Amino acid sequence: AQKVTQAQTEISVVEKEDVTLDCVYETRDTTYYLFWYKQPPSGELVFLIRRNSFDEQNEISGRYSWNFQKSTSSFNFTITASQVVDSAVYFCALSGAPTGGGNKLTFGTGTQLKVEL
Amino acid sequence: DAGITQSPRHKVTETGTPVTLRCHQTENHRYMYWYRQDPGHGLRLIHYSYGVKDTDKGEVSDGYSVSRSKTEDFLLTLESATSSQTSVYFCAIRVTSGGAPYEQYFGPGTRLTVT
Repeated sequence: AQKVTQAQTEISVVEKEDVTLDCVYETRDTTYYLFWYKQPPSGELVFLIRRNSFDEQNEISGRYSWNFQKSTSSFNFTITASQVVDSAVYFCALSGAPTGGGNKLTFGTGTQLKVEL
Repeated sequence: DAGITQSPRHKVTETGTPVTLRCHQTENHRYMYWYRQDPGHGLRLIHYSYGVKDTDKGEVSDGYSVSRSKTEDFLLTLESATSSQTSVYFCAIRVTSGGAPYEQYFGPGTRLTVT
């Protein structure tokens, strides 16, 4: 069975601080895919990134960066110089290799990030 | 924008009544999914479809049924709504290319309240 753990239920930071959201996953698959989604207060789910299990390169996109470490089964998300607009719930998710029915996402319970002035 | 709409966006219904939620996509994606979101649980898969008339159960399928008679529409039905089905329901499509599992894009959600 697959499992995603986001131990941080809520994080509060002051604007311009850096913040890291933790994600730990469990899977028996050798090929798997990790995702991060953002859910702002308006409620929609916004795709941020997909990472394949065979590619451990870290990725940076503007103020966002992701650190994938297979040795610790973690896929952490860092926001540099946080802004109020970053306030949202962030979900980490995991899927296995595709089967005849398509991949199914297993989500963590989410981390509520509050960025204050 | 993945061209996904959900209707209705909000619904209040009474216990025991049937409810159907509709997901509509405009981009001919093969794979479609229904999730529910509840506090403390994240999103959980209810049912998914991998083609017209091809559906399968997810993690929390009890009390729900689905149908897909056209590529663009995926319907979720609560045959007899219960208060435990009060939730926000999200539809998703999966973008596919080359057989690898690519990301899922979500509709705006339907907030369902069962009184």
